[in-house]
Amino acid sequence: GENVEQHPSTLSVQEGDSAVIKCTYSDSASNYFPWYKQELGKRPQLIIDIRSNVGEKKDQRIAVTLNKTAKHFSLHITETQPEDSAVYFCAAGGGTGKLIFGQGTTLQVKP
Amino acid sequence: DGGITQSPKYLFRKEGQNVTLSCEQNLNHDAMYWYRQDPGQGLRLIYYSQIVNDFQKGDIAEGYSVSREKKESFPLTVTSAQKNPTAFYLCASSIGGQNTEAFFGQGTRLTVV
Repeated sequence: GENVEQHPSTLSVQEGDSAVIKCTYSDSASNYFPWYKQELGKRPQLIIDIRSNVGEKKDQRIAVTLNKTAKHFSLHITETQPEDSAVYFCAAGGGTGKLIFGQGTTLQVKP
Repeated sequence: DGGITQSPKYLFRKEGQNVTLSCEQNLNHDAMYWYRQDPGQGLRLIYYSQIVNDFQKGDIAEGYSVSREKKESFPLTVTSAQKNPTAFYLCASSIGGQNTEAFFGQGTRLTVV
């Protein structure tokens, strides 16, 4: 079945540094790739998404890149801040209506 | 807040008992989802529904059942057949179609003792 692999599982960076989280997906029919942030004790919330007709999208300090040929996409956070500390999930959606999530990355930003 | 509500927030049940988790949305969304969250395993899809009166199994449907009799409601029943039911359960909804944002409820933490 469809699968989304996410790496790394944990990531620790110094405040101000960049953080990169990578995901690969198995279903070539996937065409929607959102990223969610889940703070401790809270629900996941969408931070950015990209569709298959776009290779890159940026929103302030957050950017996502998509390589459909290689079936992988990445989240880039620049100038990290302590409030960026959270669990981040990638996901892939397609024609079946399913939205499959990766295993999550715990990001710790050290002040 | 967010238009999608799960209840209760915490739920305790004895082993062998069925239990139903509630999920209601007032966003007029067609699609609804149930996910299970365990440490280190991300969000795993249990069931999803793209339209009222229709639903499909996700990756870990065994031991669970759902219904979608109303557009705004998608209850999940955890049956005694689920071998390891203690987990955090998240419900989500989206407008529907292929490329739409999913909005999550606040989750229900189920503990089976």
